[in-house]
Amino acid sequence: AQKITQTQPGMFVQEKEAVTLDCTYDTSDQSYGLFWYKQPSSGEMIFLIYQGSYDEQNATEGRYSLNFQKARKSANLVISASQLGDSAMYFCAMPVDSSYKLIFGSGTRLLVRP
Amino acid sequence: DAMVIQNPRYQVTQFGKPVTLSCSQTLNHNVMYWYQQKSSQAPKLLFHYYDKDFNNEADTPDNFQSRRPNTSFCFLDIRSPGLGDAAMYLCATGRDRTYNEQFFGPGTRLTVL
Repeated sequence: AQKITQTQPGMFVQEKEAVTLDCTYDTSDQSYGLFWYKQPSSGEMIFLIYQGSYDEQNATEGRYSLNFQKARKSANLVISASQLGDSAMYFCAMPVDSSYKLIFGSGTRLLVRP
Repeated sequence: DAMVIQNPRYQVTQFGKPVTLSCSQTLNHNVMYWYQQKSSQAPKLLFHYYDKDFNNEADTPDNFQSRRPNTSFCFLDIRSPGLGDAAMYLCATGRDRTYNEQFFGPGTRLTVL
């Protein structure tokens, strides 16, 4: 069965600096995807970025990029030039058994300091 | 804009008093999901619909029920809320079985007194 691990319960970063949020996973599927979601204090889960296991390049969306290391089974989220509005919970997720159900990691709470 | 809407955003109910949470979508997606998220925890899938086909998670209590009268709407019914059911309830949609990305609504925060 799949498993997602986020080992950083909380992180601080200075505004305008870059930060890396860790995510490791375990799966026996050959083809899979990894998602990152942002959840502000308002509660809504906001999709940030997606990485397919067979994608040749690491995914990038604006200030968000994925440091995908397939052999290590890690998919770390990098946020460049942090902004105060980046303060939120961040969840890593992946499909369960190649289905359309997702499992989530325990999340990392990011606080951006001015 | 196409979106997922949840009403109400905040719901207060009394212990044991039935409550219904509502979710609607304008994305015309086939799949609709209900998650329960307790404070500082990951969302936990309760059940989902693929079209009219209802799929319950094995560990979802019988106290939780769902209805999907049409493609656009899905309801979460809690028959007898307990104090432990206080949580954020998130509705999400997915395009179809082959596409994993889920689109979330803003959530309903349930308080049980």
